[in-house]
Amino acid sequence: GENVEQHPSTLSVQEGDSAVIKCTYSDSASNYFPWYKQELGKRPQLIIDIRSNVGEKKDQRIAVTLNKTAKHFSLHITETQPEDSAVYFCAASFGAGSYQLTFGKGTKLSVIP
Amino acid sequence: NAGVTQTPKFQVLKTGQSMTLQCAQDMNHNSMYWYRQDPGMGLRLIYYSASEGTTDKGEVPNGYNVSRLNKREFSLRLESAAPSQTSVYFCASGRDSIQYFGAGTRLSVL
Repeated sequence: GENVEQHPSTLSVQEGDSAVIKCTYSDSASNYFPWYKQELGKRPQLIIDIRSNVGEKKDQRIAVTLNKTAKHFSLHITETQPEDSAVYFCAASFGAGSYQLTFGKGTKLSVIP
Repeated sequence: NAGVTQTPKFQVLKTGQSMTLQCAQDMNHNSMYWYRQDPGMGLRLIYYSASEGTTDKGEVPNGYNVSRLNKREFSLRLESAAPSQTSVYFCASGRDSIQYFGAGTRLSVL
């Protein structure tokens, strides 16, 4: 089955700086890569996703890049704000029809004012 | 439009007791999922249902059963709860890979 590794497990940045979280996946058949943000005690919420026919996608201050050859993808957050503090999860999808997601173990991002 | 609704929000069980976690979605999605979330472990798939009438095991199915009652509802049952099943349980529904999560059930087994 699919295996997703996520690094780092914790990340602290100063407000206004950029943050980068990286994930690698094992199954070359995976074709969908979402990122979820989970605030303390809340549900995971989809913030951005990318499909394997695209190399980069941006949405305001967040962007995701995908390198299919190397089987890794990254989340980039620019101009970080205190409200960006949360746990971020990457995931990869394999298996047509059921669209199962395999999640990384998460990165706790702390933005220091 | 409530999205994905889970009940109950909190539950405390004694070892050996049984209970059913309920999940309902109003987004007309075909696929539904049950995950558990433990500290440092991310989200792990317990069972999923690709469509009404079908269910399949995920990564950690032992000790659980599921029922896809209809297109809207997908329940998770613990027949004989164990302390190792203390966790936060999330239900999700989805279409075309995109999954939307419920608010979760925090379960403690003593």
